[in-house]
This record gives sequence, structure tokens and C-alpha cells, in this order.
Amino acid sequence: EPEVTQTPSHQVTQMGQEVILRCVPISNHLYFYWYRQILGQKVEFLVSFYNNEISEKSEIFDDQFSVERPDGSNFTLKIRSTKLEDSAMYFCASSRKWNTEAFFGQGTRLTVV
Amino acid sequence: KNEVEQSPQNLTAQEGEFITINCSYSVGISALHWLQQHPGGGIVSLFMLSSGKKKHGRLIATINIQEKHSSLHITASHPRDSAVYICAVTPRGGGADGLTFGKGTHLIIQP
Repeated sequence: EPEVTQTPSHQVTQMGQEVILRCVPISNHLYFYWYRQILGQKVEFLVSFYNNEISEKSEIFDDQFSVERPDGSNFTLKIRSTKLEDSAMYFCASSRKWNTEAFFGQGTRLTVV
Repeated sequence: KNEVEQSPQNLTAQEGEFITINCSYSVGISALHWLQQHPGGGIVSLFMLSSGKKKHGRLIATINIQEKHSSLHITASHPRDSAVYICAVTPRGGGADGLTFGKGTHLIIQP
């Protein structure tokens, strides 16, 4: 069964460092999303990506964040200068069309120290 | 902005019991999703529905669009059903808005 894969599963980084979280969405999907879940809190929407550009973004997705689909298969989330409060589980998701079932990756647990 | 509320927040039940988890939302939606999150953190989609009722195995999801309310039922619950169950909604309209999530219901089924 096709699945969304995320790497790494866990990343520890120093405050102020740049991190890149990687995702490989399901191959025939057109909509891609990043969400985050701070420990003990609900999942929050960060950004959606369609047709090689950002479609929607939340207020969380500030200038420190960027997304890219560099090669037609990977979908990356970059955090330019990490802060302690960026520590969270980051989930990538994809869907075939808008308003269809979303498939989630297993998440990347980011710990900023 | 849609507010998604779930109840109960925590639920502990005995194996075999019939389980109901509720979700309400404040603004009209295109669809509602029920998701399952296991202790390892991964999220699995259980249902996506915009009207009526869906059934998959021992799981049943219903939605009442007029009432802005959905329920997830688990029949003959089993310890392996222990997980966090999350309700999320897709906003109405076009674009590619992400899901808005509830806080989740932490379900524990005791043998």
C-alpha cells in the first residue's frame, strides 16, 4: 500500500541551527501539507502546497519556515534558525485532490536544545 | 476560524464495551475526518465523511451537518483500540486549506 514517508524520524538540533525535514508524498498525490504537534497539544496546520507553490499557510508559518518540492518527489520543510519552541512532532501529509482523504507520514520528532 | 471540540477528553472502558466519541464544530465544513494516533505518534486516517454514516469493521462514523456534530463509535472494543482519536475538519470552499484539528480523545480499553 502506498504511504507517505518522512525522514529523519527524530532530529536533535542546537538552537539557531537550520533543519530540513524531508517527506516523500504518495506519488500520484497533488496536495501536500505540513502540520506540527507540540507535545501534549493538538495538531496544527502549517502550510499547504499545490501546483509547486504555497496554497495556504497559517500564522505559525512565519519567515523562518519555507517549503520546497525540489525534484518532483521530495517535499521539504526548512526551519532557518530553530528556536526552543520549534520542538514538536512534524507531520507531512498528502492527498490526491483537494477535499479527499489525507495520508499522513509517521512524523519527525524535532528536539531543539 | 473553525473551533473543533471533542468529548470526552479521556475515556477508559472495559474490553467489549460500546464506545462513543463526539465531535462538534462551529462553522460549516466540506468534510470531517476521524483519525487515530498511536503512542508512537503516527496518524492514520479512519474516515472521511461529509454526510450520513460510514462503517469499517467495528468502527462507525456518523455526521449531522445541520447540528454540526459527528460521532465515532467502536463496537466490541478491544485493548488494541487504545489510542488517541482525533476529529478534524476541512473548511468549505476552494483552495487547499489544511485540516483544523480537535484536541483528541485519549481512549484506553482495559482487558
